[in-house]
Amino acid sequence: AQSVTQLGSHVSVSEGALVLLRCNYSSSVPPYLFWYVQYPNQGLQLLLKYTSAATLVKGINGFEAEFKKSETSFHLTKPSAHMSDAAEYFCAVSEGRTGNQFYFGTGTSLTVIP
Amino acid sequence: KAGVTQTPRYLIKTRGQQVTLSCSPISGHRSVSWYQQTPGQGLQFLFEYFSETQRNKGNFPGRFSGRQFSNSRSEMNVSTLELGDSALYLCASSRGTGIGEQYFGPGTRLTVT
Repeated sequence: AQSVTQLGSHVSVSEGALVLLRCNYSSSVPPYLFWYVQYPNQGLQLLLKYTSAATLVKGINGFEAEFKKSETSFHLTKPSAHMSDAAEYFCAVSEGRTGNQFYFGTGTSLTVIP
Repeated sequence: KAGVTQTPRYLIKTRGQQVTLSCSPISGHRSVSWYQQTPGQGLQFLFEYFSETQRNKGNFPGRFSGRQFSNSRSEMNVSTLELGDSALYLCASSRGTGIGEQYFGPGTRLTVT
């Protein structure tokens, strides 16, 4: 069975500081991993995805994530937080073989302090 | 290219009623997935349709059902509504083959009173 754990339901950072959002997964097969962002009253927008190519994945808005198989992690980072980064972030895993069943983490709410 | 659209955006129903939500995927996408999002449970997978067939199903009671039409548009139906069904219902589309990211609609906010 697949699952995703996001450590820290709320993260606060100062504007300009490093953003680190943690995601650990469990999967019985090589996973496909995704990070999504959700702004208030909107759907989810894809930030980046890992599909077994390069382990360091670059996404939109300056975000990147590194796949570490030994740690079963896929943490999301951004060197310098911007006020517009305040949102809910979701990590998701998909086996990718039997259709498009995604398993989402419970989300991390990011607050950016001016 | 138009994104995923969901109608209606907001809905208020009373307990015991039924409701139908609609989702139009991105043109060319054949897979539509539905999710329920609540503050307590987060995002939970309901089901996925691909080429008019249900391909995957989450762990929800039979009151939750769906279907997909030949143009890939999808509907989900919830019968005998309960207060706990109040949630944001999200639809996501993808090409449906290979490892495809999902593109989400804005959701339908259902309130059951």
